[in-house]
Amino acid sequence: QKEVEQNSGPLSVPEGAIASLNCTYSDRGSQSFFWYRQYSGKSPELIMFIYSNGDKEDGRFTAQLNKASQYVSLLIRDSQPSDSATYLCAVNMAQGGSEKLVFGKGTKLTVNP
Amino acid sequence: DTGVSQNPRHKITKRGQNVTFRCDPISEHNRLYWYRQTLGQGPEFLTYFQNEAQLEKSRLLSDRFSAERPKGSFSTLEIQRTEQGDSAMYLCASSLAFYGYTFGSGTRLTVV
Repeated sequence: QKEVEQNSGPLSVPEGAIASLNCTYSDRGSQSFFWYRQYSGKSPELIMFIYSNGDKEDGRFTAQLNKASQYVSLLIRDSQPSDSATYLCAVNMAQGGSEKLVFGKGTKLTVNP
Repeated sequence: DTGVSQNPRHKITKRGQNVTFRCDPISEHNRLYWYRQTLGQGPEFLTYFQNEAQLEKSRLLSDRFSAERPKGSFSTLEIQRTEQGDSAMYLCASSLAFYGYTFGSGTRLTVV
């Protein structure tokens, strides 16, 4: 079982719609969760992080965390063509004095005008 | 704060040659990470430094890969005897505490 799993997509939504991106993780001890956006040919850019169960909103973005189900999601409201990118879910994994982010493969989102 | 800087941006090398990449993190960040990313995949962890100490190195890395962070400032990643399978984007990231990373622009390596 992969440590962080995402549907690779592509996910296609019309402009103005809600885009829903999902992620599951295997390590029950993980405490912090991150969403990165990556445009083609560019490096990942942090858009949100969440530590507590429930929802966290930042502008058009809402991150949702359910630790019991080991599930993280990202909702993008009023999707814009500029949101077209690959969205990477990342989970903090700590072990033996070290900690690092483990990334999923990413979900490619296309927002159609 | 000029962000995380990586050099070179692109590197083309012949198979069997050695290459070295440099990363300059955000100045106050004590944590530095190297990742590798291939097309269609998420970033894959390579190694982690806290200050000058290398705290973790991925089991996926062969002995051909080595990284250093002298004096806890910039870091270098060296690949010896490059192979075509080493072709990838090499990403450096830094952080102060664990609030998520800031990535550099990456070094794209092509081994021919």
